[in-house]
Amino acid sequence: TQLLEQSPQFLSIQEGENLTVYCNSSSVFSSLQWYRQEPGEGPVLLVTVVTGGEVKKLKRLTFQFGDARKDSSLHITAAQPGDTGLYLCAGALGRDDKIIFGKGTRLHILP
Amino acid sequence: DTAVSQTPKYLVTQMGNDKSIKCEQNLGHDTMYWYKQDSKKFLKIMFSYNNKELIINETVPNRFSPKSPDKAHLNLHINSLELGDSAVYFCASSQRVGGYTFGSGTRLTVV
Repeated sequence: TQLLEQSPQFLSIQEGENLTVYCNSSSVFSSLQWYRQEPGEGPVLLVTVVTGGEVKKLKRLTFQFGDARKDSSLHITAAQPGDTGLYLCAGALGRDDKIIFGKGTRLHILP
Repeated sequence: DTAVSQTPKYLVTQMGNDKSIKCEQNLGHDTMYWYKQDSKKFLKIMFSYNNKELIINETVPNRFSPKSPDKAHLNLHINSLELGDSAVYFCASSQRVGGYTFGSGTRLTVV
């Protein structure tokens, strides 16, 4: 069974703090994506990483793909209440690019 | 100019009924998907179509039948609805290695 483990499951921190969310698997992915989902809406793609060791930045968000393409991290600097949401990682497997999702990290930023 | 639109947004129905959910994308993507998100927010793939051809069919009861009349549409028909079918169903589309664009979901409640 292919699994993507996300940690932590829940995170509640004060505005202005930094945080890191992790996504780990024993499977090798051809690409990995991060999404943010807000209540009542579908997940929205934040970034896709493809190359082992790749780092992408999106304003205060930094995404890293592990060298072996089995894991990824999302680091948020100076978190803001607008960052609150469910963060999902998803890895693409195999020739048909079947994508499996982690169970998500529910992030709450306190003002 | 919604990219992936699915209808209806809410669906409340009795056990044993048959219902359909429709999905349309105007992004020109070749691949479309149906995902089920349970009460714990876990997203699990159900089906994937590439240019009207079924390419992923996960272990889903055969009461669920997808239909793709053209590459911009992927509908989901569910026969003999059961209580356990209650969930949020998401349609999505993608090009290869591009990440998914999700619809806003259909919340199905079976009573």
